[in-house]
Amino acid sequence: DTAVSQTPKYLVTQMGNDKSIKCEQNLGHDTMYWYKQDSKKFLKIMFSYNNKELIINETVPNRFSPKSPDKAHLNLHINSLELGDSAVYFCASSQVRVGPSYNEQFFGPGTRLTVL
Amino acid sequence: AQSVAQPEDQVNVAEGNPLTVKCTYSVSGNPYLFWYVQYPNRGLQFLLKYITGDNLVKGSYGFEAEFNKSQTSFHLKKPSALVSDSALYFCAVRDMSSFNKFYFGSGTKLNVKP
Repeated sequence: DTAVSQTPKYLVTQMGNDKSIKCEQNLGHDTMYWYKQDSKKFLKIMFSYNNKELIINETVPNRFSPKSPDKAHLNLHINSLELGDSAVYFCASSQVRVGPSYNEQFFGPGTRLTVL
Repeated sequence: AQSVAQPEDQVNVAEGNPLTVKCTYSVSGNPYLFWYVQYPNRGLQFLLKYITGDNLVKGSYGFEAEFNKSQTSFHLKKPSALVSDSALYFCAVRDMSSFNKFYFGSGTKLNVKP
């Protein structure tokens, strides 16, 4: 009964390859996020979808493309991987509707991407 | 723009002593503030939040946080630290005016020594 799950947990690949990370949440939330955590542990938001609509698109290279087939899933596809893409990528979800029970984000376990 | 600052990269405390992890914020409008903890090789876990009401908020694992509007601070506290509390702690603010974007601080590594 994992709340937010990500696959794969580890991803090791060569420069120039294309890879995808998948995320699923079973919390019934309407908003999902992708974050990148670098080697210094700094957490930076990349994208957010609300009910399958892209609502946050930070300054991220075009090689990164999120896709949300439904509000329970948010995938991240990365083209032409570069060394600098090595990081831990976290998926998260939250409920946008305001109320004391709905405000926090729930995070997945992370995907550690290593580009060689 | 909303922002969160965690002025200490690292906090060291002896087991059994009280601990404080500092956080200050800058928001327009009402602040919605959060603390998360990250253990090694794990995702972030929610600890506690301030939305409205009492300035002292109690959360998981015996942690609490004090909201201070005049000092724009939301410091995380625990009366008696445990070695198992050693982890990375993030303060965050939710911007309700910007598609519910969450702004995270840079994180504070808490080391509790036996």
